[in-house]
Amino acid sequence: QSALTQPHSASGSPGQSVTISCTGTSSDVGAYNFVSWYQQHPGKAPKLMIYDVSKRPSGVPDRFSGSKSGNTASLTISGLQADDEADYYCCSHAGSSYVFGTGTKVTVL
Amino acid sequence: EVQLLESGGGLVQPGGSLRLSCAASGFTFSRYDMNWVRQSPGEGLEWVSAISTGGSDTDYADFAKGRFTVSRDNSKNTLYLQMNSLRAEDTAIYYCAGEDDYNDANWFDPWGQGTLVTVSS
Repeated sequence: QSALTQPHSASGSPGQSVTISCTGTSSDVGAYNFVSWYQQHPGKAPKLMIYDVSKRPSGVPDRFSGSKSGNTASLTISGLQADDEADYYCCSHAGSSYVFGTGTKVTVL
Repeated sequence: EVQLLESGGGLVQPGGSLRLSCAASGFTFSRYDMNWVRQSPGEGLEWVSAISTGGSDTDYADFAKGRFTVSRDNSKNTLYLQMNSLRAEDTAIYYCAGEDDYNDANWFDPWGQGTLVTVSS
C-alpha cells in the first residue's frame, strides 16, 4: 500500500486560509468515507482533527474543515493562528488496513 | 483522564527481538480496537498493525507480516507488539492508538506518547 500524496509544505499569514490536499486511489480514499486528519507538533503525539472526511471531534475549532472529491481529500484551516503551525497527516481506511499521507508542514508566516 | 502509555522500546541489534507494551487507563479498553503506528526519525506516520476488541482478528502492514505479532490482554488493559527479526529500517517511534469500536470508528483516538525503538549494531 503506497502512502497517500500530500504537498510537502503549505503556508499562510495569520488570519488567512490554507488547504492541504491528500490524493489516494480508488482502493483507499476513493473507496471509503473514512478519511481522518491528524495534527502533530514537534516531539508530540498526533492529534485527531477530522474524522469520516468532514466531522470534527469535540474540542477541535470549527476553523478546521474537511472534504473529499473522488480520490482526493482536503483539509482547510481558516483563520490561521500561530499554534496551527505543525505537521498534518491524512489517513484513509484501505480495506483491512490503513494508509497515511506523506505529511504536510504548515507554516504560519 | 484517558491515557495510553507505551513502554519496552530501546536499542536492539539487527536480527533481535523486542516486545512493546501499551497500558490503557481512563476509558473502556475492551471497547476499542487497537493499533500500532510508527514514525521513523524525521519521517511520516506509518500504520503497523491492528487488533480487534476481543483479540481474535489481527491485521498487519506488509512489512510487519511474519515478523511482528500484535496481542492484547483486556484483563490488564494492555496492548502488546512482539517484534522479531528486527531491521535497521524498523527504527522508529512506535505509537499505540485506539479506535472506538462501539461507535464504529475508523479513526485513531486516543494516542499514546510513543516509545522509541532503535535497531543498530
